[in-house]
Amino acid sequence: KQEVTQIPAALSVPEGENLVLNCSFTDSAIYNLQWFRQDPGKGLTSLLLIQSSQREQTSGRLNASLDKSSGRSTLYIAASQPGDSATYLCAVTDSWGKLQFGAGTQVVVTP
Amino acid sequence: EAQVTQNPRYLITVTGKKLTVTCSQNMNHEYMSWYRQDPGLGLRQIYYSMNVEVTDKGDVPEGYKVSRKEKRNFPLILESPSPNQTSLYFCASSLSGDSYNEQFFGPGTRLTVL
Repeated sequence: KQEVTQIPAALSVPEGENLVLNCSFTDSAIYNLQWFRQDPGKGLTSLLLIQSSQREQTSGRLNASLDKSSGRSTLYIAASQPGDSATYLCAVTDSWGKLQFGAGTQVVVTP
Repeated sequence: EAQVTQNPRYLITVTGKKLTVTCSQNMNHEYMSWYRQDPGLGLRQIYYSMNVEVTDKGDVPEGYKVSRKEKRNFPLILESPSPNQTSLYFCASSLSGDSYNEQFFGPGTRLTVL
């Protein structure tokens, strides 16, 4: 059974620092990996989708890498801002076609 | 605007009183699904639908029903809600059931069953 883990569970950084969020998964047979952002009381916003054949994806200040063989993905957010405060979730589409989520990393960026 | 909408956003009800949470998408997506999110358990899939009239159980289907009569709508039905169904519910859709597609989520419905 696929298990997705995100460490740390919570992270606090001063504004301007780069954020590094980690996601690991136990079964490397995945179709893709998706990073989401969730604000309190709101839905999930898709940030980046990395197909299993790709090594990374970039969008603005966000960059996500994927190392399928080692079961790891990292989301980098450059020059963090208070507006980046949210919970970040990673999810893999497993070999059964199901989306399996990690528990999330709660990020606070202090001014 | 391309989006997934859910109604109601908040609902407080009592044990045993049937309720329906609606979900609608305007992106002509074939694949739709329902998740619940609970502290410490993360997001878990309840039901999914590959296309109209095709639905199947996810990881936690007990106590829920769904129907897919039209492509755009995928309501979640709780015939006899119980307190353990108190949760945050999300509807999601993607272009197709092909595993390579990005999934889009609705804003969530916070349900409390007393």
